[in-house]
Amino acid sequence: ELKVEQNPLFLSMQEGKNYTIYCNYSTTSDRLYWYRQDPGKSLESLFVLLSNGAVKQEGRLMASLDTKARLSTLHITAAVHDLSATYFCAVVPSNNNDMRFGAGTRLTVKP
Amino acid sequence: NAGVTQTPKFRILKIGQSMTLQCTQDMNHNYMYWYRQDPGMGLKLIYYSVGAGITDKGEVPNGYNVSRSTTEDFPLRLELAAPSQTSVYFCASSYSAGVTPTDEQFFGPGTRLTVL
Repeated sequence: ELKVEQNPLFLSMQEGKNYTIYCNYSTTSDRLYWYRQDPGKSLESLFVLLSNGAVKQEGRLMASLDTKARLSTLHITAAVHDLSATYFCAVVPSNNNDMRFGAGTRLTVKP
Repeated sequence: NAGVTQTPKFRILKIGQSMTLQCTQDMNHNYMYWYRQDPGMGLKLIYYSVGAGITDKGEVPNGYNVSRSTTEDFPLRLELAAPSQTSVYFCASSYSAGVTPTDEQFFGPGTRLTVL
């Protein structure tokens, strides 16, 4: 059964600092997604990573995928308060369409 | 485009009652999904559909039923509501299953369901 583990689950960081969120998964997959969720809101798609070595960047966020290590990272550069949210990774196994989400990383950026 | 719309936004049910959560998308997407999100947790896939007339179970299908008679609509049915079904339900759609760089899932605003 596919398991998706994110760490850390909670992250408090100061503005201007860098940090990385990790997403490990347990089975073969070449489709990984990152989403953002603000409190009480729906999910917003951030990145779609479809191949080994894929790297995507949007503003202060950069996501990468290593399918051999079954690992994706979401790197935050020079954090700002507006990035405070919960970030989820989600993985689709190679043999079906059953997307599995990680538990989420609740990020708080403090001034 | 309205995107993905869900109704109702909130609902309180008594144990044993039934209801249908509605989901409609106007993006002509083939794939549609139903998820539930329990407090402080990630989403869990209940059912999904790859096109009209085709549905399949996700991770947590027990207690739910779906149908897909049109491309636009994907209702989720709860037949005998139980307290364990208290959750926020999200519907989502995508053009396909992530085979191109633009195959992101678009999520609806959610339905907050409480079963007492």
